[in-house]
Amino acid sequence: DGGITQSPKYLFRKEGQNVTLSCEQNLNHDAMYWYRQDPGQGLRLIYYSQIVNDFQKGDIAEGYSVSREKKESFPLTVTSAQKNPTAFYLCASSIFLAGVNTGELFFGEGSRLTVL
Amino acid sequence: AQSVAQPEDQVNVAEGNPLTVKCTYSVSGNPYLFWYVQYPNRGLQFLLKYITGDNLVKGSYGFEAEFNKSQTSFHLKKPSALVSDSALYFCAVRDIGGGATNKLIFGTGTLLAVQP
Repeated sequence: DGGITQSPKYLFRKEGQNVTLSCEQNLNHDAMYWYRQDPGQGLRLIYYSQIVNDFQKGDIAEGYSVSREKKESFPLTVTSAQKNPTAFYLCASSIFLAGVNTGELFFGEGSRLTVL
Repeated sequence: AQSVAQPEDQVNVAEGNPLTVKCTYSVSGNPYLFWYVQYPNRGLQFLLKYITGDNLVKGSYGFEAEFNKSQTSFHLKKPSALVSDSALYFCAVRDIGGGATNKLIFGTGTLLAVQP
């Protein structure tokens, strides 16, 4: 079945450590996104990518990094510079249709990161 | 700046009664509006969207939403609530600054609790 796979589902990290969250999609979507979810704050955009080897910062990119070497993959690294990394992280993708994108986002099941 | 607001943190409704989850938006130009549902520790699932056309949009699981341009609202509705509808609901608007991506701006979410 087509979809988005995020791993790991749960992750614990010590302060000062970098951690990478995986996101893989087999929907053949061009655009991919990373959102962070905190209770009562909704979803906030970290990074997004329209195409391979290209990505843009979202609203809260500080302390995060991404890469887009393959169409199917968009990993997110939470670095030690991120001051409050404990959160639920959601990856999403969407279709890129003739330069005008009105399709919905498809989400993965999320990764919950806890910093000890 | 574009934004969406969900004025209610929680909505309580008895099973079998109609439900409404409110959303208002602020955008320049024509809005692209979306509703998503999230079950505990899961990703978001797409319910419905308004791009253009009929102001009443029908979506998944019996949900519908009414676009009201004069009131800048996009309320989610269902004629008869089920206990299984209990979840967190997000309203979102497409960010016109996102280029050809479907970069969305999300509201803070409304928790729907349906009592048996």
